[in-house]
Amino acid sequence: SQKIEQNSEALNIQEGKTATLTCNYTNYSPAYLQWYRQDPGRGPVFLLLIRENEKEKRKERLKVTFDTTLKQSLFHITASQPADSATYLCALDPRDDKIIFGKGTRLHILP
Amino acid sequence: EPEVTQTPSHQVTQMGQEVILRCVPISNHLYFYWYRQILGQKVEFLVSFYNNEISEKSEIFDDQFSVERPDGSNFTLKIRSTKLEDSAMYFCASRRAATQETQYFGPGTRLLVL
Repeated sequence: SQKIEQNSEALNIQEGKTATLTCNYTNYSPAYLQWYRQDPGRGPVFLLLIRENEKEKRKERLKVTFDTTLKQSLFHITASQPADSATYLCALDPRDDKIIFGKGTRLHILP
Repeated sequence: EPEVTQTPSHQVTQMGQEVILRCVPISNHLYFYWYRQILGQKVEFLVSFYNNEISEKSEIFDDQFSVERPDGSNFTLKIRSTKLEDSAMYFCASRRAATQETQYFGPGTRLLVL
């Protein structure tokens, strides 16, 4: 069956350290994968998109990697800050006109 | 920066009543979507809409649901006869073009069916 899994439900990271979130998928062959941030009671906010032919993408303190052989994406936040505390959603396209979300990882950055 | 907007932010309704959730997508976007998120669960796709017709819908999107773009700016989701299990956050999203993959989401409407 098709699955998209974000390995940790919750992750606590000390301020200033790098947070690394994992997204694994099975039985999909996505053309791209996206990461969104969601705060409680709010809509998902787009952060980064990485295509199947790209290995890595960066935006300021954010970095995403995409390994289509391992069927995995890693999302890194460097020099983490308490304001980075949120739920981060992995989302992939199943090659039709929708995106499929993982359940998310709740990230807590501890001061 | 342009944003997707949704109204109302909260809606409380009685089971069996009809509700209409409204969205104003980003103005030059062509593809429109509705998703929902039941409390504590993942965001789930409901329907996609392009060129004034549904392009794809999920199993959740049964005959009780309908979508419409009544004018050049609004995109609506109607639930004809609400059930308790329709209680969720409903998110509208829009995408600019076929070659622009990113979907931008609105802040959501929290629907509570009593």
